[in-house]
Amino acid sequence: EAGVAQSPRYKIIEKRQSVAFWCNPISGHATLYWYQQILGQGPKLLIQFQNNGVVDDSQLPKDRFSAERLKGVDSTLKIQPAKLEDSAVYLCASSFQVSEAFFGQGTRLTVV
Amino acid sequence: RKEVEQDPGPFNVPEGATVAFNCTYSNSASQSFFWYRQDCRKEPKLLMSVYSSGNEDGRFTAQLNRASQYISLLIRDSKLSDSATYLCVVNIRYSSASKIIFGSGTRLSIRP
Repeated sequence: EAGVAQSPRYKIIEKRQSVAFWCNPISGHATLYWYQQILGQGPKLLIQFQNNGVVDDSQLPKDRFSAERLKGVDSTLKIQPAKLEDSAVYLCASSFQVSEAFFGQGTRLTVV
Repeated sequence: RKEVEQDPGPFNVPEGATVAFNCTYSNSASQSFFWYRQDCRKEPKLLMSVYSSGNEDGRFTAQLNRASQYISLLIRDSKLSDSATYLCVVNIRYSSASKIIFGSGTRLSIRP
């Protein structure tokens, strides 16, 4: 079974630039999550989709972050403009109903 | 108060020792529970689910106390390869969907 796919694996940008991350969840998983993990901390939920609808985006900094899952399958997360404190690993995960989440390898973002 | 709290550690124990991690959660609507393992610069991966009756998988034992809203993980006869960060994870059921919340993680280092 194919896992959660994410791209790119690494990205370095200058502050105030924009960046986008892509995620393709496991086939059949209706729930998709984007997490931000800062070094030394646990993953922090940014946004959760159920199919193509947003379930929770309470911790998404909406002035600069946006995400969409238009067809209820793959998803993109965008940051515009980026700040130094956005440097982190961005993890995408998917799950089937009330079960464990499976993670992609993540995108390591460095903002300089 | 954080929804999921863990002792951050680090725990530094000799090979062969027994080590236990604790985790508390604040939301009584929490429905399912997991321990994830995260190696350095890797994505989190499911270690084991946690059941009300307690469950064991080889050297690993997980326990859940719903009354106290407390989860534990016990590692017996620890190996060098057990060195990692262990994340306590709670799946909280809301009216229309569920949300997966991670603790900050407990760092474990096994020394020869």
